[in-house]
Amino acid sequence: GAVVSQHPSWVICKSGTSVKIECRSLDFQATTMFWYRQFPKQSLMLMATSNEGSKATYEQGVEKDKFLINHASLTLSTLTVTSAHPEDSSFYICSAPSLHNSYEQYFGPGTRLTVT
Amino acid sequence: GQNIDQPTEMTATEGAIVQINCTYQTSGFNGLFWYQQHAGEAPTFLSYNVLDGLEEKGRFSSFLSRSKGYSYLLLKELQMKDSASYLCAVLDSNYQLIWGAGTKLIIKP
Repeated sequence: GAVVSQHPSWVICKSGTSVKIECRSLDFQATTMFWYRQFPKQSLMLMATSNEGSKATYEQGVEKDKFLINHASLTLSTLTVTSAHPEDSSFYICSAPSLHNSYEQYFGPGTRLTVT
Repeated sequence: GQNIDQPTEMTATEGAIVQINCTYQTSGFNGLFWYQQHAGEAPTFLSYNVLDGLEEKGRFSSFLSRSKGYSYLLLKELQMKDSASYLCAVLDSNYQLIWGAGTKLIIKP
C-alpha cells in the first residue's frame, strides 16, 4: 500500500525558533497533502491543504505567516512553524489522498513538537 | 455548525464485543469513516460507509443510518491490541473531513 513518511518523528525546540517538518509520499505522487494538528485528547484539526506548485489553502483561524507550507514536488510537502511558542506544542500529522478512491487518505506517522 | 459526537472513553473485556457509537450533524454527507489511533501514532483506516447498512470486515463491522445521522463500530473477540482511540469522521459536502474527538477504548484482561 501507499506509504507516507514524516520527519522528524519528534522534536524539541526553544521558544522563538523555527521548526520544519517534512512529509513525503514514498511510493506515489501526491499533488495534494493535508496538514493536521492534534492536541492531547482532542480531535484532528485540519490546518491547511498543500497543493503542489501553488499556494496552500489555510483553514479559518490558522495563521499562514506562522505556519509556512511549501509543496515543491509531487512527493514532498513541508510545514515550517515559525517563531514557535509553547502553545504550538502538538502532534502534527500529514496525509495524502488515495490514488484509487477519492475518500481514503494515507496518514504519515506524525511529528510530536514540544516547544520549551 | 458541524458536530460529531462519540463517547470519550469505553472499557471492555478481552474476548468480548463492544459497540462504539457516533452521531453527526454536518453540512452534507459524502461518507463516514472509522479510524483507529494508537497513542502517539497516526490514524489508520478501518472502514468507510456511504450507504445505509452494515459493512463487515473481519472482527470489525461498521453500521450507518443516514436518516438518523448515526453510525457504530462493532468490535468482536476483543484483543488487548485493540486498546486504542477510535475516531469517527464525516466527509461533508465540500469533501472535507470533519473529525470526532475519538473514543478511547480500554481492554481489560
